[in-house]
Amino acid sequence: RKEVEQDPGPFNVPEGATVAFNCTYSNSASQSFFWYRQDCRKEPKLLMSVYSSGNEDGRFTAQLNRASQYISLLIRDSKLSDSATYLCVVIPGYSSASKIIFGSGTRLSIRP
Amino acid sequence: DVKVTQSSRYLVKRTGEKVFLECVQDMDHENMFWYRQDPGLGLRLIYFSYDVKMKEKGDIPEGYSVSREKKERFSLILESASTNQTSMYLCASSLGVLETQYFGPGTRLLVL
Repeated sequence: RKEVEQDPGPFNVPEGATVAFNCTYSNSASQSFFWYRQDCRKEPKLLMSVYSSGNEDGRFTAQLNRASQYISLLIRDSKLSDSATYLCVVIPGYSSASKIIFGSGTRLSIRP
Repeated sequence: DVKVTQSSRYLVKRTGEKVFLECVQDMDHENMFWYRQDPGLGLRLIYFSYDVKMKEKGDIPEGYSVSREKKERFSLILESASTNQTSMYLCASSLGVLETQYFGPGTRLLVL
């Protein structure tokens, strides 16, 4: 099993729809989690951190499920500009910066 | 705004050449990272540095070396470029190990 796994997609959804995708991780001691967004031929940029209590930023909601070892990203009322690849990032712990793991990404395409 | 810059956006080199990729950040970040990104494999950590002159191997350090003589600058060196090192190289920096990473625009390296 890969340490961090994401469904590569593509998820092709109409504008205005709600879409969600998950990222599973294998190391139960993982400490920090993030979602990054990467546009085509651009660098990844932080979308949001994922806290134990979950967090929401406008149309985006991120949640952490430690029992089942996955994080999720929910996008409501999707816009054309949400089309991108979404990468999850898992960091095992304070002394493990060398073990930062990026998922391969989930490609999302919003159609008019 | 954090700014991470990389010396080249595109680079073409021949097999066996020595290649230097430079990265500079302007936010006094302790940590700097070098990744490569390949289709289907996501971002893989090559090396990271947590302080001047300090470095730690990531997942795929073979064929690469790094140098951090000044806090703001982190260089990736390909001692003898090979065709399997054709890739997108991304540099990142962060204040703390568990904190947001800020990426440079990337260098697309083609080794012929």
